[in-house]
Amino acid sequence: GESVGLHLPTLSVQEGDNSIINCAYSNSASDYFIWYKQESGKGPQFIIDIRSNMDKRQGQRVTVLLNKTVKHLSLQIAATQPGDSAVYFCAENISGTYKYIFGTGTRLKVLA
Amino acid sequence: NAGVTQTPKFQVLKTGQSMTLQCAQDMNHNSMYWYRQDPGMGLRLIYYSASEGTTDKGEVPNGYNVSRLNKREFSLRLESAAPSQTSVYFCASSEGTGGSSNQPQHFGDGTRLSIL
Repeated sequence: GESVGLHLPTLSVQEGDNSIINCAYSNSASDYFIWYKQESGKGPQFIIDIRSNMDKRQGQRVTVLLNKTVKHLSLQIAATQPGDSAVYFCAENISGTYKYIFGTGTRLKVLA
Repeated sequence: NAGVTQTPKFQVLKTGQSMTLQCAQDMNHNSMYWYRQDPGMGLRLIYYSASEGTTDKGEVPNGYNVSRLNKREFSLRLESAAPSQTSVYFCASSEGTGGSSNQPQHFGDGTRLSIL
């Protein structure tokens, strides 16, 4: 498949370990945040979202943490599996608009 | 359960040729979007449509036009393709209405476009 990010930061983790992927967002007016997973040759796939009135939200094997003070977002994946290997990126939605700002992403590699 | 469907998946054009990228969603979403994705950059918004009958420019609209044909379909047209438009194009849809979104966008699998 094509390379959507030739020089993406890469996180390598052992299968079964937990993964933490970080994102610094840019706009103080953003009030809604999303994490996406993108596999090679595919479109971005929604993982989990969080609104600015929350600090933490949990899904199945995934947790998103939001720190508005330092404009930081993280995605935690528990018990990482080979199928989790992909590019992960965050998106922020500026309050009251349709404008989303997307990060460039982090490549997660799961080592067997 | 198709979600967002984009056609074609791949296309090679010569400089100056025109083409239309098609997008359809079956989730009854109000809002639809066209993005381009280039190496080392985040997705950039080309155009969006907040509802049937309306379209607005995004971050990088030059060289593109769009049509919101009905609630399901949102097409992107390149009138005179240029090498700088070589990219992967993604269509997305969301439930957002009015002046804000706060809803996740659901993406198609993209059109890989090369312009020689």
